[in-house]
Amino acid sequence: DTEVTQTPKHLVMGMTNKKSLKCEQHMGHRAMYWYKQKAKKPPELMFVYSYEKLSINESVPSRFSPECPNSSLLNLHLHALQPEDSALYLCASSHRRTGGQYNEQFFGPGTRLTVL
Amino acid sequence: GQSLEQPSEVTAVEGAIVQINCTYQTSGFYGLSWYQQHDGGAPTFLSYNALDGLEETGRFSSFLSRSDSYGYLLLQELQMKDSASYFCAVSDTGGFKTIFGAGTRLFVKA
Repeated sequence: DTEVTQTPKHLVMGMTNKKSLKCEQHMGHRAMYWYKQKAKKPPELMFVYSYEKLSINESVPSRFSPECPNSSLLNLHLHALQPEDSALYLCASSHRRTGGQYNEQFFGPGTRLTVL
Repeated sequence: GQSLEQPSEVTAVEGAIVQINCTYQTSGFYGLSWYQQHDGGAPTFLSYNALDGLEETGRFSSFLSRSDSYGYLLLQELQMKDSASYFCAVSDTGGFKTIFGAGTRLFVKA
């Protein structure tokens, strides 16, 4: 299995809703990432987990809450979002190369989120 | 901070060769990656350079000059399916923190 899966594909939520995005990979990768991508813009890093521990939080508002229950799963919990949070949310994973560095990231298809 | 510059658009004809340049300014640098993204799709890894020189993968090659903070992606024998956005991306030591350039939209014409 060489893919990253994400559910749901599309999500529409109100500003008072609570929802979660899910990401799964079975490639044995120990680094997992959340990115946000607006139309015609590059992906922006939000969070990085390494060995199920949060390694990087790019000053993301607390209305986004990541969780890594195990080495294959990554969740992003959403609460009290704003319309400007509407975007494509991408999950990615990468493995550790010889020498300890992480290089290529494998991206999932993304969840297209609309906040009303 | 980190910043990357790449052209916003490039147009080329089928069968041609195109080069997409990327210059970067970073506080910490480990490697330069290239990703392809079709409209509505997810980014797909193309190439990675940590050391100076050329890396070749099929029709795609990537080059890095660390002393010049410069790299490029070379696409040969262009095909219509190569029409997509191409992002250069810099990763810091450890490779976790990856910053993407704004992207170059490549249009391949028949």
